[in-house]
Amino acid sequence: ELKVEQNPLFLSMQEGKNYTIYCNYSTTSDRLYWYRQDPGKSLESLFVLLSNGAVKQEGRLMASLDTKARLSTLHITAAVHDLSATYFCAVDSTSGTYKYIFGTGTRLKVLA
Amino acid sequence: EAQVTQNPRYLITVTGKKLTVTCSQNMNHEYMSWYRQDPGLGLRQIYYSMNVEVTDKGDVPEGYKVSRKEKRNFPLILESPSPNQTSLYFCASSPWDKNTGELFFGEGSRLTVL
Repeated sequence: ELKVEQNPLFLSMQEGKNYTIYCNYSTTSDRLYWYRQDPGKSLESLFVLLSNGAVKQEGRLMASLDTKARLSTLHITAAVHDLSATYFCAVDSTSGTYKYIFGTGTRLKVLA
Repeated sequence: EAQVTQNPRYLITVTGKKLTVTCSQNMNHEYMSWYRQDPGLGLRQIYYSMNVEVTDKGDVPEGYKVSRKEKRNFPLILESPSPNQTSLYFCASSPWDKNTGELFFGEGSRLTVL
């Protein structure tokens, strides 16, 4: 069964600080996604990671994928208030089924 | 504008009264899916469809039905809603090819069942 675990579930951090959100998944999957959700809004795609060792960066966010460890990280550099949101990782199944499994999300609050 | 459109955005109904939440996408995507979002549980997939007339269960399909008669539309049907189906529902579509399964989400439909 494909499961996705994120930690931490809640993260409160000061502006200017760095932090990392972790995403572990339980079975083989070569495709991992990060999404952002602002309060009361829908989800928007941040990163698509397709292979082992993939690294993508957008502004203060950098995501990486280690398929051997079944681990992805979302690193936040010098956080700013605008990054306050809930971040979800997700994996899809490309063998046999086409299910899509989300983690429970990390609610990030950046304090001024 | 490329988008996924859900209707209604908000709905309050009573137990047992059948309802349909519509979903339409204009991106010619093969893959469409429905999710419910509940506090502390993240998003859970209800049903997905890889193409017209091809649908399959996600992780929480009980109490829901779907159909995919046209590529662009993927309605979610609650035949006999119950209070435990009170939730925020999202429809999403994806090109779903070998390079990506990136999801494009609708705005969400908040359903309350009394």
